[in-house]
Amino acid sequence: SQQGEEDPQALSIQEGENATMNCSYKTSINNLQWYRQNSGRGLVHLILIRSNEREKHSGRLRVTLDTSKKSSSLLITASRAADTASYFCATEFDNSKLTFGKGITLSVRP
Amino acid sequence: SQTIHQWPATLVQPVGSPLSLECTVEGTSNPNLYWYRQAAGRGLQLLFYSVGIGQISSEVPQNLSASRPQDRQFILSSKKLLLSDSGFYLCAWSVRPPGTVGYTFGSGTRLTVV
Repeated sequence: SQQGEEDPQALSIQEGENATMNCSYKTSINNLQWYRQNSGRGLVHLILIRSNEREKHSGRLRVTLDTSKKSSSLLITASRAADTASYFCATEFDNSKLTFGKGITLSVRP
Repeated sequence: SQTIHQWPATLVQPVGSPLSLECTVEGTSNPNLYWYRQAAGRGLQLLFYSVGIGQISSEVPQNLSASRPQDRQFILSSKKLLLSDSGFYLCAWSVRPPGTVGYTFGSGTRLTVV
């Protein structure tokens, strides 16, 4: 079963704009992670936020986590055409398994 | 540095034929290893994970099996493929215990069963 549900399913923005993607989950977690997948390729880890953290930054990425609402958001600032990809949130609640959502398709128009 | 190799990149197999996908990790010891499948337009479904040699946990009962004959080798197999086995198969590894850094994924195998 899928633990994380991303929202929206698809997002189209202009280069230079910010992209915000949301993820909700159902059970308690140890950490939440965001991954990126270019078409037909493997997934690339972007950022991990632990359950006791509320916000984390990495370059143009900002992730927030609200465990009371069981939700997370990924913000990509100053988007570029190269950011076009699918983005997945994944939750780890068992120290052996990562459960993924269905993903968000982000299109950044030049 | 750690690398993960997965092959083949693409595979077209007839229904009823056997399958063997191989994944190897370099530059680390005692990794956790994972097989995921991604169907078109869907997220990743965890198929198998392994925390050590010969230790395999199955998440979804199906036509597939996995083995870990060596510390850094993970094999996905089937004796007889079904049409429903088509998909994008991804191998991944993580440090043990996981939870401090993310998973590293291979480049995937696109399997088409015809």
